[in-house]
Amino acid sequence: NAGVMQNPRHLVRRRGQEARLRCSPMKGHSHVYWYRQLPEEGLKFMVYLQKENIIDESGMPKERFSAEFPKEGPSILRIQQVVRGDSAAYFCASSLTRGDYNSPLHFGNGTRLTVT
Amino acid sequence: TQLLEQSPQFLSIQEGENLTVYCNSSSVFSSLQWYRQEPGEGPVLLVTVVTGGEVKKLKRLTFQFGDARKDSSLHITAAQPGDTGLYLCAVPTGNQFYFGTGTSLTVIP
Repeated sequence: NAGVMQNPRHLVRRRGQEARLRCSPMKGHSHVYWYRQLPEEGLKFMVYLQKENIIDESGMPKERFSAEFPKEGPSILRIQQVVRGDSAAYFCASSLTRGDYNSPLHFGNGTRLTVT
Repeated sequence: TQLLEQSPQFLSIQEGENLTVYCNSSSVFSSLQWYRQEPGEGPVLLVTVVTGGEVKKLKRLTFQFGDARKDSSLHITAAQPGDTGLYLCAVPTGNQFYFGTGTSLTVIP
C-alpha cells in the first residue's frame, strides 16, 4: 500500500494518559501535515513538518501537544495528559513538496481518539 | 469569521436529483481544491481549480471557480448513493491548506 498510513485507527485513553499517533507518509513525500476533525466539522490545521523540522505549529496547542518527523521512521503526534476535549479524529496528510496546487495533500484514514 | 464558508451545511436528496453546493470567501485565492470524505476515511482530492472562471468536469461533477477567484461551486447531476459524503473546499494559505466547514451530502436510494 503506497498511501499514507496512520495507526492506530482507534485509540482509547483515560484522562491523564498519553496518546501517541503515528503517520507514515507516501513514499517519496517529505512534507507532513496534521489536522484535527470534530464530528460534522471541517479539518483544523495543527502542524506542518518536514524531515527533522517543525515548519509551522501555529495550530497546535502550546501545552500537552508535540509533533516530530524524525529522519527515520514515521511522524508522531503526541498528546500528554489527555482530557475529554482531545477526543477527535486526527488526520495526517503528506505532499511531495510544500503543499500547493501542484503538490496536493494525500490523507491517511485517520486515528480516532476517545478519551474516557 | 471563517475564511471559507460552505453552504448548505447539510443536504439530503433523492437519487437522481441535481444539486449545487457552494464555497464562499471575501478573500482572493491563487487556487482552490475540492475534497470528498466518506465516513471513517480521510479526504480524497477531487479537483484543483486555478484560473478565475475555470470550469472542470469529473463525470457527473462540475466544478467552477469564480471569476474573481473568491468562491467556487460544485454541481452534481443525477446524484447517486455513492456520492454520499462530506464535501470540503480548501485553499493554500501560508504553510497550510485551510479547509471550509464542509457540506454533508446524503443521497437516498
